[in-house]
Amino acid sequence: DGGITQSPKYLFRKEGQNVTLSCEQNLNHDAMYWYRQDPGQGLRLIYYSQIVNDFQKGDIAEGYSVSREKKESFPLTVTSAQKNPTAFYLCASTFGQGGNQPQHFGDGTRLSIL
Amino acid sequence: DQQVKQNSPSLSVQEGRISILNCDYTNSMFDYFLWYKKYPAEGPTFLISISSIKDKNEDGRFTVFLNKSAKHLSLHIVPSQPGDSAVYFCAASARGAAGNKLTFGGGTRVLVKP
Repeated sequence: DGGITQSPKYLFRKEGQNVTLSCEQNLNHDAMYWYRQDPGQGLRLIYYSQIVNDFQKGDIAEGYSVSREKKESFPLTVTSAQKNPTAFYLCASTFGQGGNQPQHFGDGTRLSIL
Repeated sequence: DQQVKQNSPSLSVQEGRISILNCDYTNSMFDYFLWYKKYPAEGPTFLISISSIKDKNEDGRFTVFLNKSAKHLSLHIVPSQPGDSAVYFCAASARGAAGNKLTFGGGTRVLVKP
């Protein structure tokens, strides 16, 4: 089945530690996105990538980093510089590089601080 | 500055009746609007979208209405079913926006009572 797979589903981070969230898609989508959701709030864009080896900052990129070495994969690293990392992280993808296309989401990773 | 707002955080409706969810936006450059449904601990699922050249789009029990002059859109669910109980997000994007970026509202929690 085609889809977007995020792993792990739950992740715990110690103070001062970097952690990496995985996002893989087999939909042959060009563009991929990372969002953060906090309780009772909407989704906020962290980073996005329209093509391999290229990515752009979203609205809340500070404390995060990404890579896009393969079309299928867009991992997100939450660095120790992110002071409030506890949130639900969602990865999405879509066809093309712009225009009126819905984004399709994975099932998310919940990150908590130990 | 919230460019997309869902002013009703929650809605309760009887099974079989109509659910009406509202969304307001401020950015006049937005030209594509979407509704997503989200269950707890899962990613959002795309429901329906509308382009600014239309004022109505239907898909089964779901209809989205767009009033560009009022910068307002609504989602009608008829008839409502218990399985519709979820959080609904509206989202918008602007023509030519880099990366097909979506801006999300804060969500409306819908409870359909049997």
